[in-house]
Amino acid sequence: AQSVDQPDAHVTLSEGASLELRCSYSYSAAPYLFWYVQYPGQSLQFLLKYITGDTVVKGTKGFEAEFRKSNSSFNLKKSPAHWSDSAKYFCALEGRNNNAPRFGAGTKLSVKP
Amino acid sequence: EAAVTQSPRNKVAVTGGKVTLSCNQTNNHNNMYWYRQDTGHGLRLIHYSYGAGSTEKGDIPDGYKASRPSQENFSLILELATPSQTSVYFCASGDWGGYAEQFFGPGTRLTVL
Repeated sequence: AQSVDQPDAHVTLSEGASLELRCSYSYSAAPYLFWYVQYPGQSLQFLLKYITGDTVVKGTKGFEAEFRKSNSSFNLKKSPAHWSDSAKYFCALEGRNNNAPRFGAGTKLSVKP
Repeated sequence: EAAVTQSPRNKVAVTGGKVTLSCNQTNNHNNMYWYRQDTGHGLRLIHYSYGAGSTEKGDIPDGYKASRPSQENFSLILELATPSQTSVYFCASGDWGGYAEQFFGPGTRLTVL
């Protein structure tokens, strides 16, 4: 069975600080991993994904994520954070057999000006 | 850019009534998905489809049916709506293979009284 865990329901930091949102996964094979962002009152938008190759992937809006097979993590990073980054962030996993996707519960990020 | 639309955007239904949520995508994606979003649960997969005529059960299919009559359209049907189905529902589409990101519709807010 595949699963995604985002252990931090809420993260608060000041503008200009570095942000790192945690995501861990459980999957028996090599995963496809994604990050999505949901701004207040809006739908979800794709940020970035890891498929294969370079373990650091860059996405939109200045975000990047690092895939670490050793501890089954795919953490999202950005430096510096901006108040406009305040949103809910979701980590997601899909299997290589076109299996059903699974999302984490999300992390609500608040960046104080 | 992929476009996913949902209708209605807001719906108030009565307990025991039938509700149909519709989703249309114009990017010729094979895969389509229905999720619900509730506080504390993130996104949970209800049903998904690999193409016209196919539907698969997701993680929480009880009380829901799905229909994929064409590549473009994917419906979610609540035959006997209950208050526990009050939620925000998102439709999404994506290419076959699991490695492709999903494109989300704007969401439907359903209230069952």
